[in-house]
Amino acid sequence: DIQMTQSPSSLSASVGDRVSITCRASQNINSYLNWYQQKPGKAPKLLIYAASSLQSGVPSRFSGSGSGTDFTLTISSLQPEDFATYYCQQSYSIIRTFGQGTQVEIK
Amino acid sequence: EVQLVESGGGLVQTGGSLRLSCAASGFTFSTNWMHWVRQAPGKGLVWVSRISSDGTTTTYADSVQGRFTISRDNAKNTLYLQMNSLRADDTAMYFCATTSHASGYWYFDLWGRGTLITVSS
Repeated sequence: DIQMTQSPSSLSASVGDRVSITCRASQNINSYLNWYQQKPGKAPKLLIYAASSLQSGVPSRFSGSGSGTDFTLTISSLQPEDFATYYCQQSYSIIRTFGQGTQVEIK
Repeated sequence: EVQLVESGGGLVQTGGSLRLSCAASGFTFSTNWMHWVRQAPGKGLVWVSRISSDGTTTTYADSVQGRFTISRDNAKNTLYLQMNSLRADDTAMYFCATTSHASGYWYFDLWGRGTLITVSS
């Protein structure tokens, strides 16, 4: 199975900060990489698909980049509603796998 | 309203069985691949299983292969997960989800709110 590794596992940031989360795949997955946001007690919400395509309705402060094995989710200016856990997920393999998550906390 | 609603969760003894359901509405269920994803308390998301739109193709994670069976009834717009030989490490919130794709890139774009399974001795 393809292993997805996110870093950091958690981070503390302030409103207005620029935040980046990295996801690394254990093998080349081209651009088959999605990003999700999950808040406590809620289902995940799709933010980015195909590594860099913004899902409809998602604010433009969210962006994704990368291809191959290394990917980044960037929040250009952190807002109060962005404090959550973020997951990457690969869709290259039939066996879908997620990263372990990155918790974004208020500093 | 476009939604997925899971049901069937609860407390079950180690070694027991449970069947989860996921009722779909607001979209053409019969044309969508469907998946189950689980999340142990305080842990990350783990993909469990998928089924093709016509129900003829299924895939499982190694951790549930041979114990869980995914199925669907397109006439009832409902997805199922039959869970047998349950273990403590199956304790989790179970989400059903559907996928869409753009230019061949697949992603989970609709999720249910989940149903909680607790396996205890």
